[in-house]
Amino acid sequence: DGGITQSPKYLFRKEGQNVTLSCEQNLNHDAMYWYRQDPGQGLRLIYYSQIVNDFQKGDIAEGYSVSREKKESFPLTVTSAQKNPTAFYLCASKGIRETGELFFGEGSRLTVL
Amino acid sequence: GQNIDQPTEMTATEGAIVQINCTYQTSGFNGLFWYQQHAGEAPTFLSYNVLDGLEEKGRFSSFLSRSKGYSYLLLKELQMKDSASYLCAALDSNYQLIWGAGTKLIIKP
Repeated sequence: DGGITQSPKYLFRKEGQNVTLSCEQNLNHDAMYWYRQDPGQGLRLIYYSQIVNDFQKGDIAEGYSVSREKKESFPLTVTSAQKNPTAFYLCASKGIRETGELFFGEGSRLTVL
Repeated sequence: GQNIDQPTEMTATEGAIVQINCTYQTSGFNGLFWYQQHAGEAPTFLSYNVLDGLEEKGRFSSFLSRSKGYSYLLLKELQMKDSASYLCAALDSNYQLIWGAGTKLIIKP
């Protein structure tokens, strides 16, 4: 079945450590997105990519990094520079239509100890 | 600035009807989405409106008024499984989504 797979679902990290969240899709979508979700707030865009080897910063990119070496994959690294990394992270993709809906992965919950 | 407003929480009774409102202010507008999100899970697409009016899809309907910057999601014949957060998101002139904080809907028996 086509879809988006995020891993890990739960992740614990010590302060000062970098961690990478995986996002893979087999929907043949060009556009991929990373969002952060905190209680009581809307989804906030971290990074997005509309084509392989190209990506743009979203509203809250500081302390995060991404790569887009393959169409199917868009990993997110949460670096030690991110001051408050504990959150629920959602990866999404979209097809060719600008007005198309987003397809989301199941999310990764990161907790910094 | 760009802004989406929706109520934080609503409570309704099983079998009843509930309307979740959303108002938006965006630079340009290319449509409005509603997503459903159960706790700890991914959002799933419910509806997309770009023209004024009501669109019905089974028990769920979505309405848009572009002149008022207003949309609502109408849920009929509520079931316990409808307990979830409902996210409103507007597509701006750059085709970027602006998200509301979500409305947590609690269904009581």
